[in-house]
Amino acid sequence: AQSVTQPDIHITVSEGASLELRCNYSYGATPYLFWYVQSPGQGLQLLLKYFSGDTLVQGIKGFEAEFKRSQSSFNLRKPSVHWSDAAEYFCAVGARDDKIIFGKGTRLHILP
Amino acid sequence: DVKVTQSSRYLVKRTGEKVFLECVQDMDHENMFWYRQDPGLGLRLIYFSYDVKMKEKGDIPEGYSVSREKKERFSLILESASTNQTSMYLCASSLGSGGIQPQHFGDGTRLSIL
Repeated sequence: AQSVTQPDIHITVSEGASLELRCNYSYGATPYLFWYVQSPGQGLQLLLKYFSGDTLVQGIKGFEAEFKRSQSSFNLRKPSVHWSDAAEYFCAVGARDDKIIFGKGTRLHILP
Repeated sequence: DVKVTQSSRYLVKRTGEKVFLECVQDMDHENMFWYRQDPGLGLRLIYFSYDVKMKEKGDIPEGYSVSREKKERFSLILESASTNQTSMYLCASSLGSGGIQPQHFGDGTRLSIL
């Protein structure tokens, strides 16, 4: 069965520092992968998606993610975080029947 | 841009009441989903629908039902609300292309059952 693991429940970085959020997935075939962001009190917003092709995917808000099949990973990165990036981030994998399986999320805290 | 609108941001109801959560999308998407979100548990799928009048159970359907009479509207019903249904409820929609498409989310309804 498909599953998604986000090993870090909380991550704290200083404003201006680089960021990497980890995501590992379990899926038998070529996965469809997503990263979503949820600001406090809001719904989820799609940051980026990987379906096929180039393994480095660019998204909105300056985020990127790299698909590594050998490591079953799809880590999210940003070279320099801003205070407005404080939010919860969800990695997700596409499953059968148009469903998406979500990880439990990583909450990002930004130090001024 | 896809717009998914949930009728209430905050809702307070009493135990035993029948509760309706409404969701409307404006992009003619075939698929619609209801999730609940709880701290530490992430998003859990309650029900989903591939088309009008069609519904499928998700991972945690107990205590809930759904209705989809029109393509753009997907309602979640708590038949007899209980305190353990206090949660954030998220509605989403996606294209039904036969493959996996991104889901687009509403802002959520924070439901408290007293």
